[in-house]
Amino acid sequence: EIVMTQSPATLSVSPGERATLSCRASQSVSSNLAWYQQKPGQAPRLLIYGASTRATGIPARFSGSGSGTEFTLTISSLQSEDFAVYYCQQYNNWWTFGQGTKVEIK
Amino acid sequence: EVQLVESGGGLVQPGGSLRLSCAASGFTFSSYEMNWVRQAPGKGLEWVSYISSSGSTIYYADSVKGRFTISRDNAKNSLYLQMNSLRAEDTAVYYCARGVNYGDFDYWGQGTLVTVSS
Repeated sequence: EIVMTQSPATLSVSPGERATLSCRASQSVSSNLAWYQQKPGQAPRLLIYGASTRATGIPARFSGSGSGTEFTLTISSLQSEDFAVYYCQQYNNWWTFGQGTKVEIK
Repeated sequence: EVQLVESGGGLVQPGGSLRLSCAASGFTFSSYEMNWVRQAPGKGLEWVSYISSSGSTIYYADSVKGRFTISRDNAKNSLYLQMNSLRAEDTAVYYCARGVNYGDFDYWGQGTLVTVSS
């Protein structure tokens, strides 16, 4: 099983600041990586697929990068609606998720 | 508009059974792969099961293999998860999610809560 490890567990950021979230795979997943946003009481929402392609309707302030085992989700200027938990997911070999990074208001 | 609506969750005793349903609308259901993903209270996401668009290919996570059965009825635009021999650790919100080419999950339902407790 491919293990996905996200860091940090919690990220405290002020509105308008940049947030950088990391995701590491235990073995190469090529670019078969997605990022999801989940708010309390809601289902996850797809943000990024193919490591760097924004899903339909996702604002340009969200960007993804990386390949192989190291990936990054960047939110360029945090808006109030962006405070949530973010999960990475690999789909190179079955499907596994990271444990999540909570982005909270500083 | 793509919609996925789960139902069938509830409280069940350990060892019991439950059948979840997911009603799909707003897209050609028979053209898409489907998945079940669960989330234990306060925890992260865990993929549970996959079914191909025709239903001919099925996969399960090791944690549910032999106990859960995924199925679909393309004529009814519906996805199902039959859960048997339930354990306390199966307690979670269960989401159905649309898949694309063995890839990401682009649409999710709102989830249905399954609680396994005596």
